[in-house]
Amino acid sequence: AQKITQTQPGMFVQEKEAVTLDCTYDTSDPSYGLFWYKQPSSGEMIFLIYQGSYDQQNATEGRYSLNFQKARKSANLVISASQLGDSAMYFCAMREGRGDYKLSFGAGTTVTVRA
Amino acid sequence: DVKVTQSSRYLVKRTGEKVFLECVQDMDHENMFWYRQDPGLGLRLIYFSYDVKMKEKGDIPEGYSVSREKKERFSLILESASTNQTSMYLCASSLGSSLFTEAFFGQGTRLTVV
Repeated sequence: AQKITQTQPGMFVQEKEAVTLDCTYDTSDPSYGLFWYKQPSSGEMIFLIYQGSYDQQNATEGRYSLNFQKARKSANLVISASQLGDSAMYFCAMREGRGDYKLSFGAGTTVTVRA
Repeated sequence: DVKVTQSSRYLVKRTGEKVFLECVQDMDHENMFWYRQDPGLGLRLIYFSYDVKMKEKGDIPEGYSVSREKKERFSLILESASTNQTSMYLCASSLGSSLFTEAFFGQGTRLTVV
């Protein structure tokens, strides 16, 4: 079964606007961590932000914030004030707490920022 | 800075060849991973290793094997390459077993099997 679902294959956003990337996850483990990575066209994977299942507050990192809704099992990434350099593929990922070290990824969302 | 280095950026191999993809990390990480990335499917875990000589199957291990003889090096082996193994391969490493342990990735190897 798919553990991470990203339903938006591609999105367009106007420069300086905010964009929300959806991510839902599936786990029965009460302890887990959620990650977002960015992959520009050059191919490298860049870690953006992390949210732990027990964290009381939504994670924020600069222009990135995570809208964590635990009951709905969603962890949407919000990019504020989009820049041309934000054009990339974005992946949501999860590590479960049972200690098998695996990081499971979603299919990704391609974001294109328009000037 | 953590560095994960994959031996080749691009590879072209023939069907039936034995193919080695090498990955080296320089931060003494216990965990190393091999993923393949295909459009619309995201990253899928092939194998991972949490210690020298230890390996665990991921979600799609068929047609692949791995070797970890030294802590810093994790090799992915395609015993007999097939065209459906044409893909982007990404190696990653991470430290320890805590929930928050960021995975660091190599630059990827784009393998084409003809």
